[in-house]
Amino acid sequence: QVELVESGGGVVQPGGSLRLSCAASGFTFRNYGMHWVRQAPGKGLEWVAVIRYDGSIKYYADSVKGRFTISRDNSKNMLYVQMNSLRAEDTAVYYCAKDWRVLAAAIRAVIDFWGQGTLVTVSS
Amino acid sequence: DIQMTQSPSSLSASVGDRVTITCRASQSVLTYLNWYQHKPGKAPNLLISSASTLQSGVPSRFSGSGSGTDFSLTISSLQPEDFATYYCQQGYSSPFTFGPGTKVVIK
Repeated sequence: QVELVESGGGVVQPGGSLRLSCAASGFTFRNYGMHWVRQAPGKGLEWVAVIRYDGSIKYYADSVKGRFTISRDNSKNMLYVQMNSLRAEDTAVYYCAKDWRVLAAAIRAVIDFWGQGTLVTVSS
Repeated sequence: DIQMTQSPSSLSASVGDRVTITCRASQSVLTYLNWYQHKPGKAPNLLISSASTLQSGVPSRFSGSGSGTDFSLTISSLQPEDFATYYCQQGYSSPFTFGPGTKVVIK
């Protein structure tokens, strides 16, 4: 069965950096686009970033563009997000999520599996 | 960017009630519209994709409709396990925005 396990969350000071990882199993990771989605405390879901199955296309939310970088290692079944210049408003549970479509050339979004999330707190 | 709105933001209903949540996009997303259910402390769950395609394992009391800019999610007979927050998301173009959510609470 599909399993997505996030790690790397924690407390970081404003302006700091953090890298989140997501270990994927139970499906052919290299064939699927992957997303990061976050939820700030008491707020709704916010889409953060997506990467195509082969890593060739990446898109970001305006709120993180230029600060976050999504990447993947298909040889290790791992998804990452490097988060730099962190702000208090980046405090959230970050979910790793799998897109539904296999070997999709164009980037759309249908998220059919989610991890349990990892909490990032940006605070001094 | 495409903006998503939902109404109502919350609703109070009883077991057995018929409930409808609406979602509107600021521009056409064709039928690239997904619905998710989210319970506290759990991962969100995909209910419906492509505006009206029920995901495997999702009870048939859930249904979706719409195209273009106006969409709806209907629960035909609310069950105790359906009390949660529901989000729409446009899957048409990046950024793939979610609606603000509709919280369904017990009356």
